Amino acid sequence: RKEVEQDPGPFNVPEGATVAFNCTYSNSASQSFFWYRQDCRKEPKLLMSVYSSGNEDGRFTAQLNRASQYISLLIRDSKLSDSATYLCVAATNAGKSTFGDGTTLTVKP
Amino acid sequence: GAGVSQSPSNKVTEKGKDVELRCDPISGHTALYWYRQSLGQGLEFLIYFQGNSAPDKSGLPSDRFSAERTGGSVSTLTIQRTQQEDSAVYLCASSLGLAGGTTLPGTQYFGPGTRLLVL
Repeated sequence: RKEVEQDPGPFNVPEGATVAFNCTYSNSASQSFFWYRQDCRKEPKLLMSVYSSGNEDGRFTAQLNRASQYISLLIRDSKLSDSATYLCVAATNAGKSTFGDGTTLTVKP
Repeated sequence: GAGVSQSPSNKVTEKGKDVELRCDPISGHTALYWYRQSLGQGLEFLIYFQGNSAPDKSGLPSDRFSAERTGGSVSTLTIQRTQQEDSAVYLCASSLGLAGGTTLPGTQYFGPGTRLLVL
């Protein structure tokens, strides 16, 4: 079993749809959590950090449930430009980061 | 300011040859990571440097792989006797790590990667 697991998708949604991605982690020592976005043939870039209280950045909302070791990302009002692969990351206090394999999103007109 | 840079951007080599990949992290970042990504796959952790601590080498796939970080800055990933299955994009990332009094690892900034093809 992988240390960070994501539904690989692909998720194909129309513009304007709301889509949610889920991620689970197995290392209970994980303390920091992030969502990264990776476009085709590009390097990953930070989308947002994930805090216990949940956090929102425009159309994006991230949630963390430490008891269930579960992280989520919600995208509202999807845009064509949201098409990408979304990577879930769990990191320990020692700095070791583990990436999920990613969930692919395609937003269609 | 300058981001993470990697060189070369592309490398084609013959099976059995050695290759060296270079990473220049963001100035002041104490943490440096190497990952490997095969086509259509996720990121595979290779090695992690944090300040002057011993590196976490737990992700290196074989003893043909090694990495150094000189002076806490530039890092070199060396692959000896390359095999065709080593073909992938090798990504380097840096972060502030645990510096500056923080207790949690920070955002990783990735370089553009080196695309390695072993023929």
